[in-house]
Amino acid sequence: DTAVSQTPKYLVTQMGNDKSIKCEQNLGHDTMYWYKQDSKKFLKIMFSYNNKELIINETVPNRFSPKSPDKAHLNLHINSLELGDSAVYFCASSHRNPRTLSHTGELFFGEGSRLTVL
Amino acid sequence: GQQVMQIPQYQHVQEGEDFTTYCNSSTTLSNIQWYKQRPGGHPVFLIQLVKSGEVKKQKRLTFQFGEAKKNSSLHITATQTTDVGTYFCARPSGKSTFGDGTTLTVKP
Repeated sequence: DTAVSQTPKYLVTQMGNDKSIKCEQNLGHDTMYWYKQDSKKFLKIMFSYNNKELIINETVPNRFSPKSPDKAHLNLHINSLELGDSAVYFCASSHRNPRTLSHTGELFFGEGSRLTVL
Repeated sequence: GQQVMQIPQYQHVQEGEDFTTYCNSSTTLSNIQWYKQRPGGHPVFLIQLVKSGEVKKQKRLTFQFGEAKKNSSLHITATQTTDVGTYFCARPSGKSTFGDGTTLTVKP
């Protein structure tokens, strides 16, 4: 059983298109994240949801819209794709301490979705 | 913002040599985590350090947390080709900030 699964693994699309990436976790975690990893391997947080509530929203273009239908799922929709959106997008999950806002224990990452915009 | 700085960005070693990556923060960290990402893979949790001056070992890997809880290091003794990948430190609080990573290549 895959703990954090995201689909699709690979996505090749033209500039201007709209695409979605889906993520599901079966670990019972209350917090899910989207990270973007660029060609230099820098890992930057984009969004975080805790129990379906958006708690972290980094400086990300509003073409990116996350949605969490329930605490086991977090999807990412991207409108009007641009060349600079090409990257690997990782979903992750963890438990989060409601008092300190730290994630407790480890982050579990999905295998990543490699987006290539042509 | 609160960031963790990680050096070096790249390290090329001969198999059998040692390797160290360093992580530094301008603010005191409550704890710090380390992750490894194999080429083409996803980050995988290695360890979490919580106490000032803490040292933990995992086989050939030694993790240290500084006395002031502002820096940490990961040391690999006698590297093997299976050690290749990118090693990240991460500050779990708030925005779960990751260091920029150190990419290790090992020449057989």
